[in-house]
Amino acid sequence: AQSVTQPDIHITVSEGASLELRCNYSYGATPYLFWYVQSPGQGLQLLLKYFSGDTLVQGIKGFEAEFKRSQSSFNLRKPSVHWSDAAEYFCAVGGEQDKIIFGKGTRLHILP
Amino acid sequence: EPEVTQTPSHQVTQMGQEVILRCVPISNHLYFYWYRQILGQKVEFLVSFYNNEISEKSEIFDDQFSVERPDGSNFTLKIRSTKLEDSAMYFCASSLMGARSYNEQFFGPGTRLTVL
Repeated sequence: AQSVTQPDIHITVSEGASLELRCNYSYGATPYLFWYVQSPGQGLQLLLKYFSGDTLVQGIKGFEAEFKRSQSSFNLRKPSVHWSDAAEYFCAVGGEQDKIIFGKGTRLHILP
Repeated sequence: EPEVTQTPSHQVTQMGQEVILRCVPISNHLYFYWYRQILGQKVEFLVSFYNNEISEKSEIFDDQFSVERPDGSNFTLKIRSTKLEDSAMYFCASSLMGARSYNEQFFGPGTRLTVL
């Protein structure tokens, strides 16, 4: 069965610092992978997705993620965070069925 | 840019009452979904709907829940007799094809349901 693990519940970084949010998935075949962001009181916005091809994918707002099959990981990165990046980030996996499975999320806090 | 809309944004109801949450998916999309997020927890899949029938549902989606596409634009989630544990944010999503077909799902802003 598909599953997603986001090992960090909270992450705090200083504004301007680099960011990496971890995501590990469990899936038998090649998964479809997503990162969504949710600002307080808002819906889910897709940051980026991986379906096939280049394992380094670029998304909106300067985010990127790298699919590493050998590590079953799809970590999200940003070279320099902005205060507006404070939000909850969800990794998700799809492919077996029409639904997608979400991780528990990582809440990102930005220090000024 | 087309988007998924949901109404109402907040719904407060008494335990045992019926509620209907409404969604307008993106107009050319064929697959429709409901997810829920209990406060502080992860987003959970409830049900997917295609070609006017449920294509998949989770164990959460029991007989108290139903979905309907009453016309060409709306997609609704009905909870027949709400329980306290139904309090959550409910997200509607739509996609052109199913998730297994390389298609992303577009999410609405959510309806926060509070059951008293």
